[in-house]
Amino acid sequence: SAVISQKPSRDICQRGTSLTIQCQVDSQVTMMFWYRQQPGQSLTLIATANQGSEATYESGFVIDKFPISRPNLTFSTLTVSNMSPEDSSIYLCSVEEAPALEAFFGQGTRLTVV
Amino acid sequence: QKEVEQNSGPLSVPEGAIASLNCTYSDRVSQSFFWYRQYSGKSPELIMSIYSNGDKEDGRFTAQLNKASQYVSLLIRDSQPSDSATYLCAVNDGGGNQFYFGTGTSLTVIP
Repeated sequence: SAVISQKPSRDICQRGTSLTIQCQVDSQVTMMFWYRQQPGQSLTLIATANQGSEATYESGFVIDKFPISRPNLTFSTLTVSNMSPEDSSIYLCSVEEAPALEAFFGQGTRLTVV
Repeated sequence: QKEVEQNSGPLSVPEGAIASLNCTYSDRVSQSFFWYRQYSGKSPELIMSIYSNGDKEDGRFTAQLNKASQYVSLLIRDSQPSDSATYLCAVNDGGGNQFYFGTGTSLTVIP
């Protein structure tokens, strides 16, 4: 399976600031995904990062709050903007590998907003 | 809205016993089904995938799928304390490539 490197692994941020999370894959992948996992909850898809076009956001998530870049087939970033304590969560990047389309995850970024 | 339902637990079993984890899903067009294990503070890791009705075995793990009943399960034989984790069920409709995750079942294996 692909090796997915995500950083930072954790951060403590002041409210009102922004944090950019990076996700690097060791092979070219068509689809990259960003999830949020709030404490004690399951994974919620934020958006699908598309190479060469704008990300596709799920209901409840907007580009101004979670801008995403996908400059090539091995890299993506997610920015959490104008953070509030409610943004404290684990953020995960994921790729799906053909042909089985199994999803694999980065190590996650544990974000705490104070 | 596609839904994936799991009993949140916690489920406790003694070491060496069989742990049975269950999952139901709402969308009949779901094509692919997955079980992930997530240790506390870690990201999910894939344990099993299953695509056809019936059983699929991999070591101590057996996934069972019944599309007519919209039901998928995971059996863990000879449970070990290292199996203590949260187990996430996920489905994929194959078309949009989007995964839908259940809320997870917390399993504790008691030595």
